[in-house]
Amino acid sequence: TQLLEQSPQFLSIQEGENLTVYCNSSSVFSSLQWYRQEPGEGPVLLVTVVTGGEVKKLKRLTFQFGDARKDSSLHITAAQPGDTGLYLCAGDGWADYKLSFGAGTTVTVRA
Amino acid sequence: NAGVTQTPKFRILKIGQSMTLQCAQDMNHNYMYWYRQDPGMGLKLIYYSVGAGITDKGEVPNGYNVSRSTTEDFPLRLELAAPSQTSVYFCASSPGTPGTEAFFGQGTRLTVV
Repeated sequence: TQLLEQSPQFLSIQEGENLTVYCNSSSVFSSLQWYRQEPGEGPVLLVTVVTGGEVKKLKRLTFQFGDARKDSSLHITAAQPGDTGLYLCAGDGWADYKLSFGAGTTVTVRA
Repeated sequence: NAGVTQTPKFRILKIGQSMTLQCAQDMNHNYMYWYRQDPGMGLKLIYYSVGAGITDKGEVPNGYNVSRSTTEDFPLRLELAAPSQTSVYFCASSPGTPGTEAFFGQGTRLTVV
């Protein structure tokens, strides 16, 4: 069983549409990270959120960390084909900073 | 800047064979991790290490062993390979402080036949 549950598992949208990916857990994390992975490559960090309630924006991407530090969301505005990829959330434990990943959301943006 | 280097990139093993996946990092990171990724899925933690001489199990450690004799190297050993170990293996490292980025290698694609 995954410590972090991501939804949806797959998302296919048209260019210009918005999308939201969710990451939920029953555990509390010291921080949550979002990574993007392209085929044949390792994951690459997009953002880290460390404060409950925190919202971070990176151009068209908005990341939110839940007040209780158990959940996070990634929102993409006006998606582009270049946003296509596997989006992974990862949480740091409190005691040992072990980094655990969710199962990922495969996003496909059609031109 | 090499970052995290994994070797080999590809390998085919026969059932029952053994092999070691190599991982080296040159960033002086304390934490190192081994993950496996099955097709279209996320990453499952196999083992991790918080420093030289210290290792601990992750979610799916059965069938694998690790050692961490130096800060730089974190090899993953597969004993008696099984088809269920067919996967892409990623090694990663991080400084270990909360919220810091994990840097990943390019992965090793392993097929057990």
